[in-house]
This record gives sequence, C-alpha cells and structure tokens, in this order.
Amino acid sequence: SQQGEEDPQALSIQEGENATMNCSYKTSINNLQWYRQNSGRGLVHLILIRSNEREKHSGRLRVTLDTSKKSSSLLITASRAADTASYFCATDVGAGGTSYGKLTFGQGTILTVHP
Amino acid sequence: DTGVSQNPRHKITKRGQNVTFRCDPISEHNRLYWYRQTLGQGPEFLTYFQNEAQLEKSRLLSDRFSAERPKGSFSTLEIQRTEQGDSAMYLCASSLVGHSTGELFFGEGSRLTVL
Repeated sequence: SQQGEEDPQALSIQEGENATMNCSYKTSINNLQWYRQNSGRGLVHLILIRSNEREKHSGRLRVTLDTSKKSSSLLITASRAADTASYFCATDVGAGGTSYGKLTFGQGTILTVHP
Repeated sequence: DTGVSQNPRHKITKRGQNVTFRCDPISEHNRLYWYRQTLGQGPEFLTYFQNEAQLEKSRLLSDRFSAERPKGSFSTLEIQRTEQGDSAMYLCASSLVGHSTGELFFGEGSRLTVL
C-alpha cells in the first residue's frame, strides 16, 4: 500500500507562477524525498529532507516537513514549461538516524506548466 | 559512469510467456531495488538486494516472479507465465548504503505489455 497521499492529484499553472504540492504520510520516518518523473521515463531525485529538518532549499525548490502533522510540501517557484512532469514524495522509515533505503512512494501530483 | 541501465526498454509478450528484465546499477552501488509502476500510480516496492543477498520481497511478488543478483553486480527480474495484470513499468534503482542518506538512482524502466 502507498505510504504517502499527495494533493492535489493534478495541478495546472502558467509559466512564472509557483506550484505547491503536498504529501501526507502515516508512520514515523527517517527522511522524506521528492522525485520527478517525465512521462514514460524513470524517476529523478530532487531533494531529501531528514526527519530533524523543517525546511530545505535547492535552487527553485523549497521543501518543508512537519513531522507532528506527518506532512510535507514541495514548492517550485517561477515555474517553467520544462517543469511539466509528475512529482512523487517518498518516505524512508529507517530508525535511529540510519537510512533504511527502501522507499515508499505516494501516488504523485501531475504538474502541467503552460507557456 | 552512465547511470542505471535497464534492458529491454519495451517488451510486448503474449499471456503465458516468460520474460526477463536486466538491470545494471551504478558500478559502486551495493543496493539494488526493483519497483513496479502502473499507469497513474507511484512506484511500488518489489524487492531489494544488498550486494548479492536478496534482503526483502514484497507480498506483491508472487511465485511467478524471481529476481537474482549474481556476484552483486547486475540483476535480473524474471516473470514466468505472464498475465495481463503484469503489464506495468518495471523500474530498477540503486544506491550506496553508508555513503548517501538513502537517495535512489533510477533507470529508465522496462515497460511490459502482456497481450
């Protein structure tokens, strides 16, 4: 079964706008990761946030993590048409600061950025 | 290094036939994972190896599925007596335990269509 639930399932925006995707999960985690997948391709790692971190940035990406609410959000600022893809959150339930390595993925958010 | 390589990229087969997929991970990676992804869903964990040892198998992996990783390098995933429900994208990923915090590197996937 899927650990993560993502919201919204689909998001359509104009180039230049910001895109926010949310992920909720059920069990305690070691870290939470976000991946991107272009249609028919493999997944590409975007960013990882550890359970003891609250916010992380990477370029135009900003990830937040609220372990008390078991939720995370991914913000893509100043979106581009090339950001059009599916975005997945994935949780690693390793304990004691050690990554388990096996990820459980959500169902994903389909982002469409119109030029 | 060229990343994770999967072959074949596409396979069309008739119900009842056997199929085999191959995955070549990033050379120094000691962990190798197999996931299955159906249309509109996130990847679902099937099994993983640390070096040549298969450490965990999902309940999704019926007796018709077998995975091997001889010598801890490439891996094969064989599906015997294929069924239409086996149609999916089969994704392979690798990671280096003890170096990274659990980020997975995915191949482009092998898409199976069972007629």
